[in-house]
Amino acid sequence: QSVLTQPPSVSAAPGQKVTISCSGSSSNIGSNYVSWYQQVPGTAPKLLIYESNQRPSGIPDRFSGSKSGTSVTLGITGLQNGDEADYYCGTWDSSLSAYVFGTGTKVTVL
Amino acid sequence: QVTLRESGPALVKPTQTLTLTCTFSGFSLSTSGMCVSWLRQPPGKALEWLARINWGDAKHYNTSLKTRLTISKDTSKDHVVLTMTNMDPVDTATYFCARTPRGYGGYDEFDYWGQGTLVTVSS
Repeated sequence: QSVLTQPPSVSAAPGQKVTISCSGSSSNIGSNYVSWYQQVPGTAPKLLIYESNQRPSGIPDRFSGSKSGTSVTLGITGLQNGDEADYYCGTWDSSLSAYVFGTGTKVTVL
Repeated sequence: QVTLRESGPALVKPTQTLTLTCTFSGFSLSTSGMCVSWLRQPPGKALEWLARINWGDAKHYNTSLKTRLTISKDTSKDHVVLTMTNMDPVDTATYFCARTPRGYGGYDEFDYWGQGTLVTVSS
């Protein structure tokens, strides 16, 4: 079961901006760093953001992460057709001693 | 170059035990902070974390599946093995292994993933 809550879908036209929220609790997002993963259907997830707001090498600065309390947000600016994918937030839950994921958000480029 | 590759049966029967192997290269599971996890994704559904083993052989499990899972490592052979007992059709999913380079301090990101292996549970 997913412990973190995300909107099922977001959409925007090419060049526009979308934001994806991820809501948790004090035992997960509230006390640990959050990562974001991008998954094109049929492929393995790819790390997009770590430490809540850091980008791995090779990830464009169109992708950004922020955190406030027990919620995090992923922002994608200058939306491109290649950004169509499922996006998941994830973090360690200190109460469960387990890694937990969000419910996933499908990004559609109109 | 870091790589991970999952291997195991594509088809298992209900009640059987599934054994999956993650073979990795480009890093050592003996390095402080290093972890390897197993995750899965049923068709059309969200990612689910299953289990993790770290550099010191500490193991953590998904609380809902804990009684059915066992994770182990063979550091000398760069393998991590997951066994899942009493398989059911609802366990049909693509199973991934992934690396965590900093399994401490609330970091825990998965920076490298295997390509995944589809396991179907059917009689």
